[in-house]
Amino acid sequence: AQSVAQPEDQVNVAEGNPLTVKCTYSVSGNPYLFWYVQYPNRGLQFLLKYITGDNLVKGSYGFEAEFNKSQTSFHLKKPSALVSDSALYFCAVRDLNSGYSTLTFGKGTMLLVSP
Amino acid sequence: NAGVTQTPKFRVLKTGQSMTLLCAQDMNHEYMYWYRQDPGMGLRLIHYSVGEGTTAKGEVPDGYNVSRLKKQNFLLGLESAAPSQTSVYFCASSRAGEFHEQYFGPGTRLTVT
Repeated sequence: AQSVAQPEDQVNVAEGNPLTVKCTYSVSGNPYLFWYVQYPNRGLQFLLKYITGDNLVKGSYGFEAEFNKSQTSFHLKKPSALVSDSALYFCAVRDLNSGYSTLTFGKGTMLLVSP
Repeated sequence: NAGVTQTPKFRVLKTGQSMTLLCAQDMNHEYMYWYRQDPGMGLRLIHYSVGEGTTAKGEVPDGYNVSRLKKQNFLLGLESAAPSQTSVYFCASSRAGEFHEQYFGPGTRLTVT
């Protein structure tokens, strides 16, 4: 069975500093990996995905993520955090062996960016 | 385009009552999903559909039923609500295929007393 772990419930960073939100995954085959963001009282919004190819994926709002197959990780990064980046971030994985396009989500990491 | 819409936005039910949550998408997506979000639990898949007239169970299907009579609509039903079904419910849709991202609705906050 596929699974995703987000080891940090909350990440605190000062505005202007780099940020990293961690994600590790477990699948039986090759993974498709996604990051979503949820602002208060809103639905989830897609940020970026890794399907194949370059291990560094660039997405919306200046975010990027690095796929590391040996460490089974897909950490979300941004070089310079903004207060407006404060939100709940979810990592998700799809196992290519699972059949249909269902995702397994992590429990989420709250990112708080202080001014 | 409105994207994915959900009705209602809020609802309070008494234990044992029934209700239906409506999800509509105007992106001509083949796949649709219902999730519930609980604090510290992330999103858990309730049911999903890969096409009109087809549905399948997700991770937490008990106590819920779904129907996909039209491609653009996906209904989630609670036949006899229980306090454990107090949650925020999200609908999502995506194009067919393995690697397409899902688009989410704004959510329905349901409280069962």
